[in-house]
Formats: sequence, C-alpha cells, structure tokens
Amino acid sequence: DAGVIQSPRHEVTEMGQEVTLRCKPISGHNSLFWYRQTMMRGLELLIYFNNNVPIDDSGMPEDRFSAKMPNASFSTLKIQPSEPRDSAVYFCASSLKDTYNSPLHFGNGTRLTVT
Amino acid sequence: AQKITQTQPGMFVQEKEAVTLDCTYDTSDPSYGLFWYKQPSSGEMIFLIYQGSYDQQNATEGRYSLNFQKARKSANLVISASQLGDSAMYFCAMRSDTGGFKTIFGAGTRLFVKA
Repeated sequence: DAGVIQSPRHEVTEMGQEVTLRCKPISGHNSLFWYRQTMMRGLELLIYFNNNVPIDDSGMPEDRFSAKMPNASFSTLKIQPSEPRDSAVYFCASSLKDTYNSPLHFGNGTRLTVT
Repeated sequence: AQKITQTQPGMFVQEKEAVTLDCTYDTSDPSYGLFWYKQPSSGEMIFLIYQGSYDQQNATEGRYSLNFQKARKSANLVISASQLGDSAMYFCAMRSDTGGFKTIFGAGTRLFVKA
C-alpha cells in the first residue's frame, strides 16, 4: 500500500531559479495539503485542495509560490523565483476525507536549499 | 481562533518508564479531532493516534494512549514502557469544521529516551 510520494527528496538550487516540488497522494484520498517546516516557524500550512480544487491558499507566502492539482493523483508546488529564505522542508500530505476525523498522511518531504 | 499549545520543548524519560507529553487546544467548534504525530530524526511525519471530540473513551493504540480532558481542553499523549526508538519530535494537531478542515499543529515536544 503506497503512501504519499514526494519528489525530489532533496533540492539544492541558486537564488532566482525556479523550483518545482511534486506529490502523488494516496489513491482514493480526496484532500491534499502542502506544508512547510522550518525551525523558526514550525509546520505551516501553505495550501490545501479538496477534490482537486484549491480551498484555502491563505498560507502561501507570496506570489512567488503557486500550487496546482491537475488531477486526483498529482500536485505540484512551484517557487519562482526562489530565495534563500525559502529553504525549508516541504511536506505533502493527503487525507481520505475532508472531515475533522480524517488524519493526514504525510510524504517523506522535500528538503529545499536555496543558496 | 484555533490554537494548539505544547509547552514542553524537550522531555527526558528513562527507558521502560512511561511519559506524558502535554497538549492544550482552543476551539469553539463542537466537532473536532485531535491527533498526535511522531517525527523521528529521519524526518518523516508518522500518524500515531486520534481522538474525536465526541468520543467518550480515551483513544489507545498499542503503547500510545491519549488522555482526553474535554473540559480542560487538553489532549495529552501517554507513551508507556518507553523505548530508545521513541526518541523523536512529537506534534499535537487539531482539525475542525470551523477551521475549514485545515489541520493545525503545535510547536512540538522533543522526547529523549535514556538507556
């Protein structure tokens, strides 16, 4: 039973470059979440989708960040242009239902370093 | 406003002893779920246990139990018979309708298990 799959596991890029993070949720899950984790700010919700539709993107830091979910099995988080302060671990998570009793299942994360 | 508070940045416990990790929450929503996640040094986020706001009994999953005190708005995680592999970061989280079914996380507690 495959879990949430994220790629790449590690990304090192230079300031100003475009970065694309990818996520495949668990099959049958209808909600998908992107989180960012840093030492200073902890786990922050960036955006979440329900049935491929963005529901809340209030956590997206600025216009440099964008996310898409073209179908139920794939989502991307893009940063363009990237900045050193974007360095963090980015997690994708999915849940079976969009209800309060449905736990999140996380991918292994993408560690992004922007130099 | 929805909020999760974990007041213990770090905890030490002797191997084979029990330990309690504290979590308090704030919500005005009658329907909510409380979750605990484990993040070992390898970085993945592992779902441990769930407690629903309407559940009459405390949740248990193996060596994990949740001490749910609704009136006090607390949802403490109890780990019995600690093992060296329990050394990790532990996050308390909440999901509710009022929060738009977003899952919010506390700052986490780092647990160290001593041999």
